[in-house]
Amino acid sequence: GQQLNQSPQSMFIQEGEDVSMNCTSSSIFNTWLWYKQDPGEGPVLLIALYKAGELTSNGRLTAQFGITRKDSFLNISASIPSDVGIYFCAGRTGTASKLTFGTGTRLQVTL
Amino acid sequence: EADIYQTPRYLVIGTGKKITLECSQTMGHDKMYWYQQDPGMELHLIHYSYGVNSTEKGDLSSESTVSRIRTEHFPLTLESARPSHTSQYLCASRQGANEKLFFGSGTQLSVL
Repeated sequence: GQQLNQSPQSMFIQEGEDVSMNCTSSSIFNTWLWYKQDPGEGPVLLIALYKAGELTSNGRLTAQFGITRKDSFLNISASIPSDVGIYFCAGRTGTASKLTFGTGTRLQVTL
Repeated sequence: EADIYQTPRYLVIGTGKKITLECSQTMGHDKMYWYQQDPGMELHLIHYSYGVNSTEKGDLSSESTVSRIRTEHFPLTLESARPSHTSQYLCASRQGANEKLFFGSGTQLSVL
């Protein structure tokens, strides 16, 4: 099946720094979703993207649907301690009936 | 805010026991899903349902079974639990063609 690779695998940043992470695939995707998961909890939907080039914000978070349709990016500005968690991308190709999830980016924020 | 609930949150049982993990959603979503996730790892789809009396196996082979007798309820059953079943089980739902998938808080299962 399709594979979504997330980069970086983990990040250690200081409070106040901006964060960038991405998700790439060898297949073309029609939808991209970004989730955040806290330890012991289910993933929470952050942003949904539906067309190539789309740029969508949710507070300090901004995500973009890559124009090649094979990647997506998530940026977090001015990070705070509660941003700690694992960020997953998820996507759907035109022929797939189900979402494919990425490998996750683990974010640690230090004071 | 998504209204999807999973019980129990944590379950520790012995090998060979039969267990059922409950998942209910009050949003009237037609599509429901079960994912298995090891700590800090990616999510793997094990079962899904597109409506009442519809169930399908996911991408990851699982010895568990599911049923969908009511729209709001999608329980997962393990007839004989084994230590290899130790994992977090996440239930999710969405409506129709809406891509947004909402998750429950998960059940952390430990089989001794």
